[in-house]
Amino acid sequence: GENVEQHPSTLSVQEGDSAVIKCTYSDSASNYFPWYKQELGKRPQLIIDIRSNVGEKKDQRIAVTLNKTAKHFSLHITETQPEDSAVYFCAAGFSGTASKLTFGTGTRLQVTL
Amino acid sequence: GAVVSQHPSWVICKSGTSVKIECRSLDFQATTMFWYRQFPKQSLMLMATSNEGSKATYEQGVEKDKFLINHASLTLSTLTVTSAHPEDSSFYICSATASSSGNTIYFGEGSWLTVV
Repeated sequence: GENVEQHPSTLSVQEGDSAVIKCTYSDSASNYFPWYKQELGKRPQLIIDIRSNVGEKKDQRIAVTLNKTAKHFSLHITETQPEDSAVYFCAAGFSGTASKLTFGTGTRLQVTL
Repeated sequence: GAVVSQHPSWVICKSGTSVKIECRSLDFQATTMFWYRQFPKQSLMLMATSNEGSKATYEQGVEKDKFLINHASLTLSTLTVTSAHPEDSSFYICSATASSSGNTIYFGEGSWLTVV
């Protein structure tokens, strides 16, 4: 089955700096790679996703890159703000009507003033 | 947009009892739903795939007789934790895919289970 690794487990950046979180996956058949932000005790919130037919996607301060050959993808947050502090999870799966996901281990991002 | 609702949001039960958690797709039909479990400070781990009208598919290491899944309609899946033990205390969350929204995955609000 799919195996997703995520690094780093914790990340502390100063407000305004950039944050980068990296993930690798094992199943070359995976074609859908979402990123979630999760507050304590809440459901994961999709912040950005990318499908295997593109290499990069950007939405304001958030961008994701995908390298299918190397089987890794990364989340980039620019101009970080304190409200970006949360746990971020990457995931890999198949895009379709029954999409189960394999999640990475999570990254706790702390944005300090 | 599509919404997935879970109930209850939190539940406390005694060891040895059973507790049922519901997952509903409110404005779309879901032939398949997924159940995840998340222990504190850990990731979401897929427990099982809930299939409407047929048996659930369990991930390796998940006891199907302990975690009963029923998907009797296109909008409702239930997870019953039987003979609950304190180590079953966790955050349980379901997801469903809405084909009407470009196959977007929606998560329920999650259910906190505490077994005392």
